[in-house]
Amino acid sequence: EIVMTQSPATLSVSPGERATLSCRASQSISSNLAWYQQKPGQAPRLLIYGASTRATGIPTSTRATVIPARFSGSGSGTEFTLTISSLQSEDFAVYYCQQYNQGGTFGQGTKVEIK
Amino acid sequence: QVQLVESGGGVVQPGRSLRLSCAASGFTFSSYGMHWVRQAPGKGLEWVAVISYDGSNKYYADSVKGRFTISRDNSKNTLYMQMNSLRAEDTAVYYCAKIVVPAATRSAIDYWGQGTLVTVSS
Repeated sequence: EIVMTQSPATLSVSPGERATLSCRASQSISSNLAWYQQKPGQAPRLLIYGASTRATGIPTSTRATVIPARFSGSGSGTEFTLTISSLQSEDFAVYYCQQYNQGGTFGQGTKVEIK
Repeated sequence: QVQLVESGGGVVQPGRSLRLSCAASGFTFSSYGMHWVRQAPGKGLEWVAVISYDGSNKYYADSVKGRFTISRDNSKNTLYMQMNSLRAEDTAVYYCAKIVVPAATRSAIDYWGQGTLVTVSS
C-alpha cells in the first residue's frame, strides 16, 4: 500500500503570508495526486488534481465553484507541494493530499492555523 | 445536482457485521467509480476502498482487506460496503464519494456524501 506523508503537521501563518505544504509518496505515483481542504463539520473540498490542476467548475449548493488562483500545486513522482500564495481568513483549515495511482490513500493532514 | 446519501450506520458489537449503503442521484452513476472513505472522531481521512464504474475492479486498504467488501448495483444507483469482523478501530464516519473522471478508477474525488457514523463497541 502506498503511504503518503505530509509535513508539517501544523503550520502557523499570518494572513497575507505564503503557505507551503508538502506531501511525499512512498513510491512513484506519477501525477496522480489531489489536494483537499476540510473545515470542521464539513466534507472535504477538492482543490487540486493531477498534482497541479485547479478544480474549478465543480458546482455545489453551498460552496464557490471557483478555486482561487492563490492555490497552486506542483510536483510529480514522489514529492508534491501545495502553495497558498497569500492566505485569506477562509483558508485556515486542514489540508490533505491523496494519491490515486493505486487505490486512494491520504496523508495525515496539515492544519493551517492563524499565527 | 449531485447527491450522495449514506445509510446503515449505527452501534455494533466487535466481531459483528454491518452493511452501509449510498444512494446516488444527479449524475450517471453507472459511469463513475466510487470510493468509501472514513474519518474517526477528531482524526484524519482514511481511504477504505474503491470500485470501478462497472464493478469489475476493486481495491482495498490493508486495514480492511479480507473483512470489508465494496460493491455496487448500477440498476439501483447504489453503492454498498459490507463490513464483517468489525473492530473498535473501525469506529468512524464513513463517506461515499464520487470520482471526477467517468470510466476511470485513477481519479480524484469531487463529491462526498454527508457520512454515516459507525460505532463499534461492546
